[in-house]
Amino acid sequence: GENVEQHPSTLSVQEGDSAVIKCTYSDSASNYFPWYKQELGKRPQLIIDIRSNVGEKKDQRIAVTLNKTAKHFSLHITETQPEDSAVYFCAASRRMDTGRRALTFGSGTRLQVQP
Amino acid sequence: DAGITQSPRYKITETGRQVTLMCHQTWSHSYMFWYRQDLGHGLRLIYYSAAADITDKGEVPDGYVVSRSKTENFPLTLESATRSQTSVYFCASSDTGNQPQHFGDGTRLSIL
Repeated sequence: GENVEQHPSTLSVQEGDSAVIKCTYSDSASNYFPWYKQELGKRPQLIIDIRSNVGEKKDQRIAVTLNKTAKHFSLHITETQPEDSAVYFCAASRRMDTGRRALTFGSGTRLQVQP
Repeated sequence: DAGITQSPRYKITETGRQVTLMCHQTWSHSYMFWYRQDLGHGLRLIYYSAAADITDKGEVPDGYVVSRSKTENFPLTLESATRSQTSVYFCASSDTGNQPQHFGDGTRLSIL
């Protein structure tokens, strides 16, 4: 089945610096890659996603890149702010035994932005 | 998002008891999902449903039962709770399995 590896598990940056989180996936049929942000005690919330027909997508300070050949995708946050502190999860779609699709999540990265 | 609600938010029960976690969505999404979240494991898929009366196992289905008689509801039952099922449980929904998922607020379940 699909395996999604996420690194690093923790990341500490100074306010204003950039943060990069990397994920690799194993299923070459994966074609949808969302990123979620989860603040302490809250629900995961989608922050950006990318499909396999696109190499890069940007939304203000957040960008995601996808390398299908290498099977890895990354989240880039520029000009980090204290409110960016949270746990970030990557995910990749996979085709289940039924033929239907579901997401497999990485184990998460705890980002701490120091003021 | 207010369109998906989970109940209860917190539950404490004892080993061997049956407990049901509820999930209700108002978007008419076809797909619904149950995850458990444990430290170091991220979100692991327990069961999912592509439509009413269609349910499939995820990565960690043992010890859980689901049903989906109506599109908007997707209850998760632990038939005989064990301590290893202590976790935070999230329900989510989406239009398809390949679309953004919207999560509920979660249920924090403790089994003593």
